[in-house]
Amino acid sequence: EIVLTQSPATLSLSPGERATLSCRASQSVSSYLAWYQQKPGQAPRLLIYDASNRATGIPARFSGSGSGTDFTLTISSLEPEDFAVYYCQQCNSWPRTFGQGTKVEIK
Amino acid sequence: EVQLLESGGGLVQPGGSLRLSCAASGFTFSSYAMSWVRQVPGKGLEWVSAIGGSGGLTYYADSVKGRFTISRDNFKNTLHLQMNSLRAEDTAVYYCAKDSSGWKGWDYWGQGILVTVSS
Repeated sequence: EIVLTQSPATLSLSPGERATLSCRASQSVSSYLAWYQQKPGQAPRLLIYDASNRATGIPARFSGSGSGTDFTLTISSLEPEDFAVYYCQQCNSWPRTFGQGTKVEIK
Repeated sequence: EVQLLESGGGLVQPGGSLRLSCAASGFTFSSYAMSWVRQVPGKGLEWVSAIGGSGGLTYYADSVKGRFTISRDNFKNTLHLQMNSLRAEDTAVYYCAKDSSGWKGWDYWGQGILVTVSS
């Protein structure tokens, strides 16, 4: 089973600041990594697939990069609606696994 | 508009069974793989099971293998999860999720349904 480790656990930032979230895999997942955003009481929303492709309707301030074992989700300038929990998930092998999440909170 | 609506959740005793359903609309159901993902309230996401568009391929997390069975009815556009031998640790919100294409993540999710396993 591939273990995904996200860091930091919590990111305290102000609106307008840049957010950089990390996801590290215990073994290579090639580029088969997705990122999700989840707000309280809501289902997750797909942001990024194949490490760097934005899903339909996702704003350009969200970008993903990386391959192999190290991945990054960047939010270029935080909007009020971006404060949420973010999860990475590998699509390379079974079982599918998620990282433990990074909470982006308002500073 | 894509819609996924789960049903069948509730309270069940340890060792009991429950069958979740997910009614899908707004897309060609048989063309997409589907999954169940669960989340203990306040905790992270855990993938549970997946099924290919035709129903011929199925996958399970080790934590539910041998106890849960995923299936689909492509005529009724419905996904199912039969859960047997339920344990307290199966208590969670269960989401059905539609594959985006090519097993690359899930682009649509249901609202989730709570399953509580308790005596």
